[in-house]
Amino acid sequence: SQQGEEDPQALSIQEGENATMNCSYKTSINNLQWYRQNSGRGLVHLILIRSNEREKHSGRLRVTLDTSKKSSSLLITASRAADTASYFCATVQGAQKLVFGQGTRLTINP
Amino acid sequence: DTGVSQNPRHKITKRGQNVTFRCDPISEHNRLYWYRQTLGQGPEFLTYFQNEAQLEKSRLLSDRFSAERPKGSFSTLEIQRTEQGDSAMYLCASSPLWDTGELFFGEGSRLTVL
Repeated sequence: SQQGEEDPQALSIQEGENATMNCSYKTSINNLQWYRQNSGRGLVHLILIRSNEREKHSGRLRVTLDTSKKSSSLLITASRAADTASYFCATVQGAQKLVFGQGTRLTINP
Repeated sequence: DTGVSQNPRHKITKRGQNVTFRCDPISEHNRLYWYRQTLGQGPEFLTYFQNEAQLEKSRLLSDRFSAERPKGSFSTLEIQRTEQGDSAMYLCASSPLWDTGELFFGEGSRLTVL
């Protein structure tokens, strides 16, 4: 079963604009992670936010977490063509299993 | 160490044939995971190992699927009597500890069953 659900499923913006993706989850969490996947490639870990954190930054990435709403958002500022990829949120389900959402397919138009 | 390695990267087979994928994790990682991903979907958990012990298997892993990690290092995922519905990307990931839960993924093995 999918724990996280991303929204929107697809997003197309112009280079230089900001991209925001949202993730909702169902159960309590210790942390929430975001991953990126280029077409036909493996996933790459971007950022992890713990349940006691509300916001975290890494370069052009900003992640927020609202545990009361069971939601998270990933903001990519000043987007570049190279940011074109699928982005997934993931949470731990059970003891040690990372469960991924369906993903947001982001396209940055030059 | 160059990361998680998966072989082969692509496999085309006929329905009914057996296929085997190999994953070499990052050397110091004691946890190894297998996921399956179909087009446009997120990765779905299949199974994971801690050292050589297989600790959890998804209901997605039918009796045609078997995974091993005999010496706690590399792992193999075998699919017997392949079906067209097995066509997918099979992703392997490893992790050193569970304090963060971050997974390190390989590039995947893409299976096409004709």
